[in-house]
Amino acid sequence: NAGVTQTPKFQVLKTGQSMTLQCAQDMNHEYMSWYRQDPGMGLRLIHYSVGAGITDQGEVPNGYNVSRSTTEDFPLRLLSAAPSQTSVYFCASRGDRNNSPLHFGNGTRLTVT
Amino acid sequence: GEDVEQSLFLSVREGDSSVINCTYTDSSSTYLYWYKQEPGAGLQLLTYIFSNMDMKQDQRLTVLLNKKDKHLSLRIADTQTGDSAIYFCAESRPDSSYKLIFGSGTRLLVRP
Repeated sequence: NAGVTQTPKFQVLKTGQSMTLQCAQDMNHEYMSWYRQDPGMGLRLIHYSVGAGITDQGEVPNGYNVSRSTTEDFPLRLLSAAPSQTSVYFCASRGDRNNSPLHFGNGTRLTVT
Repeated sequence: GEDVEQSLFLSVREGDSSVINCTYTDSSSTYLYWYKQEPGAGLQLLTYIFSNMDMKQDQRLTVLLNKKDKHLSLRIADTQTGDSAIYFCAESRPDSSYKLIFGSGTRLLVRP
């Protein structure tokens, strides 16, 4: 049981480049989300999805796009990377019950130069 | 994380108790969580408490909730060096598909 899998683990981009951070879960969770973690700021919600075909914005959505074509996958796209997007990105999913805990991936460390 | 506040750092001696505090602002929050993050890893759920409870104990962990003051604490008894990590509290917002809002995290350092 792999849980939540994120790829890549590390990535360096130049300003203006685009890339997709991959996230997959094998727990049949409806809810998936992306957070970024910055020093002293905790985790901030970028986008989330309550099921296939449904996405919504979190606290800091600007500069990021998401899609949810399947239950398993929730990729995060950076269309034109900026240095302010240097961060550690975490994907998380949970089951349907309201008290279901979030299961986190191990993160993607992104540096934009 | 600006609506959920935590102190940034706590240092304790091995064997002592640790108390990590958190305040939140949304009175409608139904579940409150504590997560642990070790270096280079994702967040691991430690425990959670429902808002109609005021205490929950799980082995060395005790969670206290003061709903009137919107104050949550995590007590770790007999703290070990393996407990050194960053601890995040989070609240679940029922008006937002129960998404979690996290605090900025408290770094716990356990000294031998």
